[in-house]
Amino acid sequence: GAVVSQHPSWVICKSGTSVKIECRSLDFQATTMFWYRQFPKQSLMLMATSNEGSKATYEQGVEKDKFLINHASLTLSTLTVTSAHPEDSSFYICSPRTPGRNEQYFGPGTRLTVT
Amino acid sequence: AQTVTQSQPEMSVQEAETVTLSCTYDTSENNYYLFWYKQPPSRQMILVIRQEAYKQQNATENRFSVNFQKAAKSFSLKISDSQLGDTAMYFCAFMKSFQGAQKLVFGQGTRLTINP
Repeated sequence: GAVVSQHPSWVICKSGTSVKIECRSLDFQATTMFWYRQFPKQSLMLMATSNEGSKATYEQGVEKDKFLINHASLTLSTLTVTSAHPEDSSFYICSPRTPGRNEQYFGPGTRLTVT
Repeated sequence: AQTVTQSQPEMSVQEAETVTLSCTYDTSENNYYLFWYKQPPSRQMILVIRQEAYKQQNATENRFSVNFQKAAKSFSLKISDSQLGDTAMYFCAFMKSFQGAQKLVFGQGTRLTINP
């Protein structure tokens, strides 16, 4: 089966600092990456979609300068939350897809707490 | 745009009972995929079952089965002989296709609790 890792699993940072979340597909090549945010007791909300080597496409209402997504390789994508604020505290989930497999995988998620 | 609606925010049943979670969706597409995902307390998303719209036969995976009513745009999940480990959030999801960057559209979720 496909293995997706996210690092860190939990991070606490101070308001105004930046945090980078890494998502790795360990045994397949992720040509497309989806990044979701999930608030407590709510559904997953798509933030952005990226294809390897291309700029990410952001959903309406998601600030591209605040949530920087890099998908420079087929096995690694990163989400950087810049100048984090308490309202950015949430659970962030990466979800890679690879061609030829009709399935979308999910990372274990990263819990971000901004104090 | 496609939408997915789960009308039951919470459900609770006794262990070994059967429970059905409801899901309706709206789309003008003829071919598409439907999914049920489970999110246990660990928050790892787990695929429970999926249905391809062109297949008339309802999908089953061990104790999990679906009732797919294409004309009614309904996609319910039945869990038989429920177990404590089935306690989780369950999300119904729709996707047009796996081509390109087609998105998964999630419902609001149903929190299912299995009581001992």
